[in-house]
Amino acid sequence: QKEVEQNSGPLSVPEGAIASLNCTYSDRVSQSFFWYRQYSGKSPELIMSIYSNGDKEDGRFTAQLNKASQYVSLLIRDSQPSDSATYLCAVLSMDSNYQLIWGAGTKLIIKP
Amino acid sequence: GAVVSQHPSWVICKSGTSVKIECRSLDFQATTMFWYRQFPKQSLMLMATSNEGSKATYEQGVEKDKFLINHASLTLSTLTVTSAHPEDSSFYICSARYSVLYEQYFGPGTRLTVT
Repeated sequence: QKEVEQNSGPLSVPEGAIASLNCTYSDRVSQSFFWYRQYSGKSPELIMSIYSNGDKEDGRFTAQLNKASQYVSLLIRDSQPSDSATYLCAVLSMDSNYQLIWGAGTKLIIKP
Repeated sequence: GAVVSQHPSWVICKSGTSVKIECRSLDFQATTMFWYRQFPKQSLMLMATSNEGSKATYEQGVEKDKFLINHASLTLSTLTVTSAHPEDSSFYICSARYSVLYEQYFGPGTRLTVT
């Protein structure tokens, strides 16, 4: 059973600070990793994808991947109240149909 | 780019009736689309994977005769909930695979309430 694990939170971070979200996965052959943001009552929105070891930066967001440790993280710099949402980690399964295996999500709360 | 639309955004129907939900990729062709269901405060649950021109692949426990999926073109997939019951009330979300990088983009979702 392929799994993706996230701390459910809530993770509370002061406005302006760095929010750090973590995700571990069980399938060693996975090559593609995604972070989605989901606001309450809305559908998920893709915010970052990462395919190689190391860091990938996009604006205030940085995704970090360590395949040896089977670990993916998302850093949000200068956190804003609008960043308050549930963040979902997804890992591409290399099985048929190439489905995403989803973590349960981490609820992030940015306190003004 | 990579916009997915879904219609209707919400629907209320009576028990025993059928409801059709449309999912369209507006600016790209999607050979594969996915249908998810999400209950309040719960995780996304994949219902089925839909490939253009072929039968959908349903996840274990999802009744294929109740949730009919058609993916007739590279930009349109439909989900029909047949003989809906109150327990089918949920948030139904489609997604479309955008590229060889396997990114999935989601539609805005359809909130179904069965009375």
